[in-house]
Amino acid sequence: QKEVEQNSGPLSVPEGAIASLNCTYSDRGSQSFFWYRQYSGKSPELIMFIYSNGDKEDGRFTAQLNKASQYVSLLIRDSQPSDSATYLCAVNPPMGSARQLTFGSGTQLTVLP
Amino acid sequence: DGGITQSPKYLFRKEGQNVTLSCEQNLNHDAMYWYRQDPGQGLRLIYYSQIVNDFQKGDIAEGYSVSREKKESFPLTVTSAQKNPTAFYLCASRDSQSTDTQYFGPGTRLTVL
Repeated sequence: QKEVEQNSGPLSVPEGAIASLNCTYSDRGSQSFFWYRQYSGKSPELIMFIYSNGDKEDGRFTAQLNKASQYVSLLIRDSQPSDSATYLCAVNPPMGSARQLTFGSGTQLTVLP
Repeated sequence: DGGITQSPKYLFRKEGQNVTLSCEQNLNHDAMYWYRQDPGQGLRLIYYSQIVNDFQKGDIAEGYSVSREKKESFPLTVTSAQKNPTAFYLCASRDSQSTDTQYFGPGTRLTVL
C-alpha cells in the first residue's frame, strides 16, 4: 500500500465549477499536510498547508482534513483554466520519525473553458 | 530576493560522465532535499540533509552523491553509475522553524545523450 494515495486523474471540470481533489495517507500519526500545484515543466509551488482537523480556507481554495479517516482534500471554487495543473498532496510523518515528507503521485486537473 | 536557485536549467550528459547540479538557498533553512521526477510520475527522494556536514540517503540514492559544506549549498552529483539519469531534478529546503513547509527551486532538466 502506498503511503500517500491520490487519484491520478485526469480530472476535468468546467470553468466556474468546484474541483475536488482527494488524498489518503497510511500513517495515522502524520502531523501536517500540504497541497502543491505543479504546472507542466515547472517546479511545485505551495498552495496550502493544514495541521488540524476541519477546514482551512484561503481565497478560492479550501483544504479539509479528517485525521480519523486519514483523508485530506482540496476544493477549488470557481475553477479557472489557469488552475489546470497537477496537484500534489504531501504528508509529514510523526514527530521524531526518520522519514521525510512523502508525496502522492499527483492528480492532473483540467479546467475546461 | 529570498529563494532557492538551481543551475543549470538544462543539462546534457554524455554516457560515462559525472555531472553536478547546483542548489543554493538564502532562506536560512537548515534542511535541504533533492528529488527526482520522471514524466508523469511523482517525486522520489534522492538525498536529504538536516544540517551542515551531514546528509542521508533517500529512496533512490544509488548513482548519486551530495555534499553539504555550507548551509546555503547542497550540490548533487549524478555519477556514471546512475544508468538512467534523464529526469527533472528538484531541490527543496524546509522551513523547520515555523510552518515546516518545503519550498522548491525551479529545477534542472537533465538529458543523457
